[in-house]
Amino acid sequence: GAGVSQSPSNKVTEKGKDVELRCDPISGHTALYWYRQSLGQGLEFLIYFQGNSAPDKSGLPSDRFSAERTGGSVSTLTIQRTQQEDSAVYLCASSYYGGGATDTQYFGPGTRLTVL
Amino acid sequence: KQEVTQIPAALSVPEGENLVLNCSFTDSAIYNLQWFRQDPGKGLTSLLLIQSSQREQTSGRLNASLDKSSGRSTLYIAASQPGDSATYLCAVTSNTGKLIFGQGTTLQVKP
Repeated sequence: GAGVSQSPSNKVTEKGKDVELRCDPISGHTALYWYRQSLGQGLEFLIYFQGNSAPDKSGLPSDRFSAERTGGSVSTLTIQRTQQEDSAVYLCASSYYGGGATDTQYFGPGTRLTVL
Repeated sequence: KQEVTQIPAALSVPEGENLVLNCSFTDSAIYNLQWFRQDPGKGLTSLLLIQSSQREQTSGRLNASLDKSSGRSTLYIAASQPGDSATYLCAVTSNTGKLIFGQGTTLQVKP
């Protein structure tokens, strides 16, 4: 079946503008994760959804970052008033259960965000 | 706070060599440990998942071991091939499924 998809694949924006990144998880997966990969910081967790709820938002770096998930499926990560340090690859992953010893996360190809 | 470290950061070997990538973590309270592969400009592909109660997992030429008490894991690649060239990431899983990643080892296998 189809894997995790993300759009857009690349986004270039000007400092101060808002951006929305989209993730379509694998059908039937209850858990959805957002991660950020940047040169200086490696791969960092941002937020975790179980269904439409976000029990763990501990990785969101500031209140400019928000995310929502609707219908237990598609998720949108929104960054308001983008800054140059937001430039990174944003990766989305989904898994069947959301935790547990055997739960494997499947990753999308990522969205490369460049803030000029 | 859980921290994951991978050594070496980069590795270059001739084709056919066997090699070992290392991963260490500071908190042994993990649910599982996963090894991922990342090709340039691509997402992550899960290679092996070792449950916290297991000692090793094997898939083809790959073997991953886990010593939870000492906070260490190794990924062994047998008979390396140029197609194995990629960045290998180790990650431990928290109780919510959140992955905490190491910085990765970039492997180059020369023909």
